[in-house]
This record gives sequence, C-alpha cells and structure tokens, in this order.
Amino acid sequence: SYELTQPPSVSVSPGQTATISCSGSELGNKYVCWYQKKAGQSPALVIYQDDKRPSGIPERFSGSNSGNTAALTISGTQAVDEADYYCLAWDRSTLVFGGGTKLTVL
Amino acid sequence: QLVESGGGLVQPGGSLKLSCAASGFSFSGSPIHWVRQAPGKGLEWVGLSRNKINRYATAYAATVSGRFRISRDESKNTAYLQMNSLQIEDTAVYYCTRPLGVVAGTDEAFDIWGPGTLVTVSS
Repeated sequence: SYELTQPPSVSVSPGQTATISCSGSELGNKYVCWYQKKAGQSPALVIYQDDKRPSGIPERFSGSNSGNTAALTISGTQAVDEADYYCLAWDRSTLVFGGGTKLTVL
Repeated sequence: QLVESGGGLVQPGGSLKLSCAASGFSFSGSPIHWVRQAPGKGLEWVGLSRNKINRYATAYAATVSGRFRISRDESKNTAYLQMNSLQIEDTAVYYCTRPLGVVAGTDEAFDIWGPGTLVTVSS
C-alpha cells in the first residue's frame, strides 16, 4: 500500500520559516493537499493542488511538490500556526494521509 | 455546511450508523468523504461516495473495507456511514467532508468539514 512519510515533529521560532516534508514514491506525479489540525477543531485545508491557497489562508503558507517529496512552508511563523499538519494524496482510487507533523512554535 | 450525528458507545462486534446532513451546496453534485481520527492518532481516510453523475460509486480504505458502507439519501441531503463488526481500533472522531471540486487537484481538497461525531467501541 502507498505510504506518505512526514517527520513527527518540527520546531520553529516565531517569525522564522518552518518547512514540513511529505515523502512518497513518485509523489511529484500526484497532487498533494495539506491540512492543519488543532485539538478540538475540524481539519482545515491550507494548501491544495500542490501550491494553491484556499481563500482566507494567509500568504505565509506555501507548498511545493517535486520528485518524491512535497513540502509545506510557513514563512514568518506565528504562534497561531502551532498545530498538527497532514499531507494527503490519491493512491489510485483511495486517499492516503501522511502520519502528521506536530509544529511547535517556541 | 455538514453536520454529523449518530456517534456513541458500542460494544465490540456491534454496529452503528452515522449520518452526515448537508446544506448550502449541491448534494448530488458533490462527492462525500468520511475521515476519522482515533485518540492520539493521525487523520485516516475512511471512504467516499462519488457524486450522482458517477452513480454514487464508493471506495473504502483497506482497514474498513467489507465492514463499512457509505450510502446516500438524496431526498434528505444526507449521507450515511454504516459501520459493522466494529473493533476497538475503530474508536475515533468521525468527520464527513466534501471536496472543492471533482477534477484532479481539487477532488482531495476538502473545504467543508462537519464538527465530527465520536464513536467509542468498548465493552
């Protein structure tokens, strides 16, 4: 079965850039979405189609996808960005989430 | 808007049926997906019901295939997740969600989510 691998945790200082990776076989040939998940809340879409931001998502969120790795980048990270982040992609007719990355803003 | 209901406590081996009431968009034109999150765990895709033009065809994650079934009632703008042979590992908050679109790159971009409903499988 297809797997998407994310680092369990990433730490960043306020105002710095955080990068969360998502790795999978030939992932660059698929579209990737990213979701933000905070405790007690429903997931929120932050990036779709590799690098597009839904309306209402701050410009500091950006995405890329090439080769076997997709990445979510948060520039000028703020305390409000502290959350779990998940990548998502299709594997034939089913969807696969990455294991999730806990972003800590120190 | 999406709102789930029907969660609760069920014994291992039991069954439960969740509902997902939709409003504010074309229910028949949109796929509906179910996603769950077990306590302390990550998000897991459960399955989907495609839109009407695709005959509401379904697909499921391997972990639930053969035990879970997604259906729809157009007259009620409601989707259902029938869960049978429930196991302790099925304990989770279950969300229904719908994608931005139906073309590649938008069909896994879930922009509307319900608040979730908790299913607890325990004796």
